[in-house]
Amino acid sequence: DGGITQSPKYLFRKEGQNVTLSCEQNLNHDAMYWYRQDPGQGLRLIYYSQIVNDFQKGDIAEGYSVSREKKESFPLTVTSAQKNPTAFYLCASSFGGGEETQYFGPGTRLLVL
Amino acid sequence: RKEVEQDPGPFNVPEGATVAFNCTYSNSASQSFFWYRQDCRKEPKLLMSVYSSGNEDGRFTAQLNRASQYISLLIRDSKLSDSATYLCVVNMRGYSSASKIIFGSGTRLSIRP
Repeated sequence: DGGITQSPKYLFRKEGQNVTLSCEQNLNHDAMYWYRQDPGQGLRLIYYSQIVNDFQKGDIAEGYSVSREKKESFPLTVTSAQKNPTAFYLCASSFGGGEETQYFGPGTRLLVL
Repeated sequence: RKEVEQDPGPFNVPEGATVAFNCTYSNSASQSFFWYRQDCRKEPKLLMSVYSSGNEDGRFTAQLNRASQYISLLIRDSKLSDSATYLCVVNMRGYSSASKIIFGSGTRLSIRP
């Protein structure tokens, strides 16, 4: 089945620790996105990538980093510089090139210990 | 003023009722529009795209009013399973002509028996 997967479903981070969230898609989509959602809030864009080996900062990139070495994969690292990382993290993908309908993975819930 | 605004609700309506909610957007150059549905603690899922001529999918009807810069979603004969948060999504063209996708904060809908 084609789709987007994210892992883990829940992730616990200790103070000062970097953690990496996985996002994989087999939809042959060029564009991939990372969003953060806080309770009762809309989605805020962290980073996006329109093509392999290229990515752009979104609205709230500080304290996060990404890589796009493969078309299928777009991992997000939450660094220790992100002071309030507790949130629901959603990865999405689209065909790109003007076709912007996005399809989402099931999300990763990050909690700080 | 937010770029995309929705009434957060909650809308609490009886089963079988018709319910409608709007979403306003600020950028008149916005290109494409979508409604997503998000269940509690789940990822958003595409409900329908919104076309200039309006479109219907079963009990759901979406309309676009470019003059007044809003989109609407109408749900007829509501079911208990329609209870969810409905996210308005607008693809805006930014100053650099690059597309920018903005999510509204969502409207909560609760259908009671």
